[in-house]
Amino acid sequence: KAGVTQTPRYLIKTRGQQVTLSCSPISGHRSVSWYQQTPGQGLQFLFEYFSETQRNKGNFPGRFSGRQFSNSRSEMNVSTLELGDSALYLCASSLGQHRNTGELFFGEGSRLTVL
Amino acid sequence: AQSVTQLDSQVPVFEEAPVELRCNYSSSVSVYLFWYVQYPNQGLQLLLKYLSGSTLVKGINGFEAEFNKSQTSFHLRKPSVHISDTAEYFCAVIFYGGSQGNLIFGKGTKLSVKP
Repeated sequence: KAGVTQTPRYLIKTRGQQVTLSCSPISGHRSVSWYQQTPGQGLQFLFEYFSETQRNKGNFPGRFSGRQFSNSRSEMNVSTLELGDSALYLCASSLGQHRNTGELFFGEGSRLTVL
Repeated sequence: AQSVTQLDSQVPVFEEAPVELRCNYSSSVSVYLFWYVQYPNQGLQLLLKYLSGSTLVKGINGFEAEFNKSQTSFHLRKPSVHISDTAEYFCAVIFYGGSQGNLIFGKGTKLSVKP
């Protein structure tokens, strides 16, 4: 069974640009969550999508958005990039919503560098 | 606010010695508890989880953890570590009795195993 696939793995952008990251969950998983990982803040929850609907959202500004498609694939978008957005963005999938199933399966992440 | 605290940011230990990585969480509401491991340039991998039942949980690679409700703790242990255990370990909690129900991570503990 293929794991969680994230693309691209590495990317470099400049301030003010926007970026879209993609995540393909494990086959059969309907929930996709996104996390931002930085050395200073650690792992912070961005949002969770289940059945194409955002079910949960962390404390990030509106520049961070996401969506989920009918095949459960998800994208997240960051607009008007800032230097502080440089991070490893991790996607995780699960069979159901966090609160019901608990276990998340993580991808290897997309490392974004903002110059 | 609900939070997860990993008391040690770095733990150096010699090979074949025992190790304990400490984790405390903020609330005594109903919880699911997890330990994840992250090797360099990789995503997170689940080591073990507590959802219900026996408070002593055994995971992969010889790790185990004990849920202590009164202490709100979930410490990770291994009786004899190997060089290959060098990685960053994250404690994570779902406070499913609360309003959000998303996975909240501690800041991580870097385990460094020396020969």
